[in-house]
Amino acid sequence: GESVGLHLPTLSVQEGDNSIINCAYSNSASDYFIWYKQESGKGPQFIIDIRSNMDKRQGQRVTVLLNKTVKHLSLQIAATQPGDSAVYFCAENSGGSNYKLTFGKGTLLTVNP
Amino acid sequence: NAGVTQTPKFRILKIGQSMTLQCAQDMNHNYMYWYRQDPGMGLKLIYYSVGAGITDKGEVPNGYNVSRSTTEDFPLRLELAAPSQTSVYFCASSYDGAKGNQPQHFGDGTRLSIL
Repeated sequence: GESVGLHLPTLSVQEGDNSIINCAYSNSASDYFIWYKQESGKGPQFIIDIRSNMDKRQGQRVTVLLNKTVKHLSLQIAATQPGDSAVYFCAENSGGSNYKLTFGKGTLLTVNP
Repeated sequence: NAGVTQTPKFRILKIGQSMTLQCAQDMNHNYMYWYRQDPGMGLKLIYYSVGAGITDKGEVPNGYNVSRSTTEDFPLRLELAAPSQTSVYFCASSYDGAKGNQPQHFGDGTRLSIL
């Protein structure tokens, strides 16, 4: 079955709060994970990635955490802004593939001003 | 760099018509991909290519064809359009080198309706 994500969940936060978006994966052989942001009418935009030899990686206002023990990935957005409102997808390289990604169905993040 | 460029942005087809969705990238990426995205769903891989002259089927290839005659271009062909092919189509590219996996970069999609 689908290895990443379930029915599209939603998350609503207040501007300035921190957001945490979660993702579960089932293929323990996957060793590369990516978070994408998709705004309405646009293609997915790369946010941050992480390899399985790491458990945390930080970018600008974003942090990705990887817990291989429970096969869980999370994206933390600090000081969430209205411009962060979008659907967020996690993706894994299917079983360690160099190119095939398996995408979850996404989480809709709404930021209230 | 323009990145990944897809044309057209929108198209309406009648059942049985054919068309080609164009995709071009100017990042010298060796890997290219076609996905479809249905409402409320994640991306499903249709076809992919690891280099010029090489293509392979993804998860949902039926009803589609591709070619990769150059590094830059990766067109997707629908021969006999069916209502089930109504979707948003995304093209992506990535670079595979000594660093291993690299993120895929996407175009802004082609919204296709089959009536």
